[in-house]
Amino acid sequence: EAGVAQSPRYKIIEKRQSVAFWCNPISGHATLYWYQQILGQGPKLLIQFQNNGVVDDSQLPKDRFSAERLKGVDSTLKIQPAKLEDSAVYLCASSLARGYAGEQYFGPGTRLTVT
Amino acid sequence: AQSVTQLDSQVPVFEEAPVELRCNYSSSVSVYLFWYVQYPNQGLQLLLKYLSGSTLVKGINGFEAEFNKSQTSFHLRKPSVHISDTAEYFCAVSDRVFGNEKLTFGTGTRLTIIP
Repeated sequence: EAGVAQSPRYKIIEKRQSVAFWCNPISGHATLYWYQQILGQGPKLLIQFQNNGVVDDSQLPKDRFSAERLKGVDSTLKIQPAKLEDSAVYLCASSLARGYAGEQYFGPGTRLTVT
Repeated sequence: AQSVTQLDSQVPVFEEAPVELRCNYSSSVSVYLFWYVQYPNQGLQLLLKYLSGSTLVKGINGFEAEFNKSQTSFHLRKPSVHISDTAEYFCAVSDRVFGNEKLTFGTGTRLTIIP
């Protein structure tokens, strides 16, 4: 079974530029999460999708971050414009369904450096 | 609101020695508890989880954890560590509420195995 795929693995941009990350969850997983992991901290949830609908985006900085999951499969997270404090690893995870108090499967992450 | 405290940011241990990584949580509702491991340049992998039942939970790679409700703790243990256990370990908690599987992570403990 293929795991959660993310691309790119690394990205370096200048502040005020825009960037997009892509995630393809495990086949059949209805729930998809985007986390931000700043160096030295644990991952923090940015947004949770159930199929193509948003379940929780309370911690997403909506003035600059956006995310979509149009067909209920893969997802894109965008930052526009980027700030220095956005430097972090962006992790995508998926799970079988809502209410499944079990495993979230994580991708390898995209390491973003904003200069 | 929930929070997770990992008391040790770094733990050095000699190979084949036992190890305990400490985790305490705070929540106003009942929770599920998890330990994840993150190897260098990889995503997070679930080690073990406590959902209900026996308070002693066994996971992969010889790790186990014990849920202590009165002390609000979920410490991770391994009786004999190996070089391959070198990684970052994250404790996480989620609500026992249907559809609210958002994970709140601690700041992580870096386990270094000394040959």
